[in-house]
Amino acid sequence: GQQLNQSPQSMFIQEGEDVSMNCTSSSIFNTWLWYKQEPGEGPVLLIALYKAGELTSNGRLTAQFGITRKDSFLNISASIPSDVGIYFCAGRRTSYGKLTFGQGTILTVHP
Amino acid sequence: GAVVSQHPSRVICKSGTSVKIECRSLDFQATTMFWYRQFPKQSLMLMATSNEGSKATYEQGVEKDKFLINHASLTLSTLTVTSAHPEDSSFYICSARGNATASGYTFGSGTRLTVV
Repeated sequence: GQQLNQSPQSMFIQEGEDVSMNCTSSSIFNTWLWYKQEPGEGPVLLIALYKAGELTSNGRLTAQFGITRKDSFLNISASIPSDVGIYFCAGRRTSYGKLTFGQGTILTVHP
Repeated sequence: GAVVSQHPSRVICKSGTSVKIECRSLDFQATTMFWYRQFPKQSLMLMATSNEGSKATYEQGVEKDKFLINHASLTLSTLTVTSAHPEDSSFYICSARGNATASGYTFGSGTRLTVV
């Protein structure tokens, strides 16, 4: 099935650095979601975005819903070791429709 | 908050046998449940969408006779992998939404299936 284009595929950073990842799509979504998945677990919702241009924060995480409704980014500031995991973007075309996932960004944080 | 319980967390079965995975919404009624499959270091691929009381809708390429989905109540959906083969070994994850949930859906903790 269709996937969103998520980049980068992986990141290796030092503790304290900021991180940025993004997702793009050729089609419009009305909701963008960002999830974090740790090994052997299901994804956990980090941030949900519902309107074009919306900028939302959750602690050290900030995400934006692109104006064109075809992209979104997630920033993590002042990374810490527990930020390690796989981050997925997901888009949804209707309020109760199925999710389309990006390929994921594997984040490694060195102490 | 919304909690989804998935069981078992891991299972090993012999080739040719069937395995049932349960997904329960603990504190809300799940009108719709989604079943995903995830291979190592890959994204989640939607297998099927099930609505309570009706037949599941399968994604293209997913064999409905091999992956049986039942959503008989508003709090329970099951995925049965029939006649399992080693290539069915994967991480299976469910997610659920209720009528009041227009936000991100809640995911279960996943089931690691190994077919030997």
